[in-house]
Amino acid sequence: EIVLTQSPATLSLSPGERATLSCRASQSVNNYLAWYQQKPGQAPRLLIYDASNRATGIPARFSGSGSGTDFTLTINSLEPEDFAVYYCQQRSNWPPAITFGQGTRLEI
Amino acid sequence: EVQLVESGGGLVQPGGSLRLSCAASGFTVSSDYMAWVRQAPGKGLEWVSVIYSGGGTYYPDSVRGRFTISRDISKNTLYLQMNSLRAEDTAIYYCAKAGGDSSSWLRWFDPWGQGTLVTVSS
Repeated sequence: EIVLTQSPATLSLSPGERATLSCRASQSVNNYLAWYQQKPGQAPRLLIYDASNRATGIPARFSGSGSGTDFTLTINSLEPEDFAVYYCQQRSNWPPAITFGQGTRLEI
Repeated sequence: EVQLVESGGGLVQPGGSLRLSCAASGFTVSSDYMAWVRQAPGKGLEWVSVIYSGGGTYYPDSVRGRFTISRDISKNTLYLQMNSLRAEDTAIYYCAKAGGDSSSWLRWFDPWGQGTLVTVSS
């Protein structure tokens, strides 16, 4: 089973600053990694798929990078609405399985 | 617009059963890969089940043998039958549409439903 480890657990920043979130896989996932944002009381929202592709409607300040085992979500010039919990996710082909990282809380 | 709406959550006693529904609009559930994902109170996301467009179903060890994912083509609805429920199954349950292509599915999930809360307690 592939394990995803996110760091840091909590990131404290101010609006206007840049956030850098990390997701490390226990073995290569190629570039099949997704990032989600979740705000309190809401369902997760897809931000990035296949490591670096922004989902429809996601602002350009969100970007993803990495391949293999190390991935990064970068949020440039933080807006007040960006403070939330962020999860990474990967899938295993066989047996089929989906795993999520434990999340990074981005707080003001 | 692609949309998912869950229902069927509630309070159930340990050992009991519950069936969750996920009504889809804007696409056909039988043509896509779909999943259930849960989130225990204050915790992270955990995959619960997937169903492939061809009908294959898969589960993690934590729910295998107790949960069953299925779909009704005529109602364009996804289901999760949950039996032998335990306190640790208490969570918000989300359904989600999987993304990918013939080379690899389940690469991402979008959209997600709003979730339905299942509480297992006596």
